[in-house]
Amino acid sequence: QKEVEQNSGPLSVPEGAIASLNCTYSDRGSQSFFWYRQYSGKSPELIMFIYSNGDKEDGRFTAQLNKASQYVSLLIRDSQPSDSATYLCAANTGGFKTIFGAGTRLFVKA
Amino acid sequence: DAGVIQSPRHEVTEMGQEVTLRCKPISGHDYLFWYRQTMMRGLELLIYFNNNVPIDDSGMPEDRFSAKMPNASFSTLKIQPSEPRDSAVYFCASSSTDLAKNIQYFGAGTRLSVL
Repeated sequence: QKEVEQNSGPLSVPEGAIASLNCTYSDRGSQSFFWYRQYSGKSPELIMFIYSNGDKEDGRFTAQLNKASQYVSLLIRDSQPSDSATYLCAANTGGFKTIFGAGTRLFVKA
Repeated sequence: DAGVIQSPRHEVTEMGQEVTLRCKPISGHDYLFWYRQTMMRGLELLIYFNNNVPIDDSGMPEDRFSAKMPNASFSTLKIQPSEPRDSAVYFCASSSTDLAKNIQYFGAGTRLSVL
C-alpha cells in the first residue's frame, strides 16, 4: 500500500514565525511531490511542487525534498493568519496517479 | 478559463436513490480525476481518465460506483444505490500531459449527503 504520512496537527504558530510542515512517503519510485493548501469548505489548491532533491523557494514558501529519507517538507516564512488552512502533501506514484496525505492543520495566531 | 466546473454543489438524497455528479474539466486538459474526501479517510483517488479512457479505477469502493467520460469536456460519477456511508465531498480535478509533473486543478466539489 503506497502511503503519504503527515502529522494531522493542529500546528499552531504565532504571526510572523516560520511554520514547518512535514511529510513522508512510502513509494521510493515516486518522482514528483506537491503541497496543496485547502481552506475549510474549499477545494485544494496547489502551492508548490518539487521533483529534485534539495530546496525550492517561491516567495514565502520553501519546499524541501530528500529522496534518500523519503521526506518532503514545506516551510512558510513570515506566517500570516491567512495561511491558516489544511496543507496536503501529495506524491505522484506512477503515471498520473497521485496519493494524498491526510493533511496538517495549521493555525497562525495574530 | 473558468476552471474545473462541478455540479451540483450540494446534493441531499435518501438512501437507495441514484446520485449523479458531473464534471467539466479545463479545456485542453487530457486527464480527469475523481476524488472523495472525508474526515476519516482524507482525500482518496477513485478513478482517473486519460483521453476519455479510464486508466485506473482501483479506488472505486464497490460496484455501486461507476464513472464515465463520454467526451473530452464531460464526466459523470454515479452512485446507485446510494448509502449513508457515501456521504462525503466529491472532487473532480483535471491535468494535462503538458503541465509540469502532473499538477492538478480541482473543482469546487460536490457535497453529498445521503440520509
